[in-house]
Amino acid sequence: SQTIHQWPATLVQPVGSPLSLECTVEGTSNPNLYWYRQAAGRGLQLLFYSVGIGQISSEVPQNLSASRPQDRQFILSSKKLLLSDSGFYLCAWTVESGAGELFFGEGSRLTVL
Amino acid sequence: AQKITQTQPGMFVQEKEAVTLDCTYDTSDQSYGLFWYKQPSSGEMIFLIYQGSYDEQNATEGRYSLNFQKARKSANLVISASQLGDSAMYFCAMRDLEDDKIIFGKGTRLHILP
Repeated sequence: SQTIHQWPATLVQPVGSPLSLECTVEGTSNPNLYWYRQAAGRGLQLLFYSVGIGQISSEVPQNLSASRPQDRQFILSSKKLLLSDSGFYLCAWTVESGAGELFFGEGSRLTVL
Repeated sequence: AQKITQTQPGMFVQEKEAVTLDCTYDTSDQSYGLFWYKQPSSGEMIFLIYQGSYDEQNATEGRYSLNFQKARKSANLVISASQLGDSAMYFCAMRDLEDDKIIFGKGTRLHILP
């Protein structure tokens, strides 16, 4: 069966420090991969999505970046965190085409101080 | 540009009553899918129901049904016989079946009262 893992689960970082959140999917090939951010009590903001290795679509121009070095690995990065980067980050995957639900990871809660 | 609108930030409903959560969407695409997710206080995202744009019948999953009105671009979630465990945040989402972009609305926080 398919599973999705993301880590770390919790992160406290100072302003200006770098960030790396990782997400890995198991049990499927060529998934579509997504990164969302949820501010406290708010909706899910789509940050990046990828339909294949090396293919990244950016939805929000800011100090975050994403990479997909392998088929089932999706990484969210920042060189210098801002206070506004605090939030709950969710990785998700779905089958490469057609209908089908979005499967979410457990989430990573980032606090920037 | 695609957009999902949930106009109810919060709702209070008496236990055992039916609940309708509103969702309207905007897209120029012909092929798309609509989802509803539940997010309890734990933060996990729980898939509830899916409706394809070409599906002629409204989707149903147990106590959940999706009232799909394509001409009005609305995809309301109906929860029958609400339970205390239904208290959570509910998100409407849309998938563009051409480029696989999936966006979410801002959510509705549902409170079920005993």
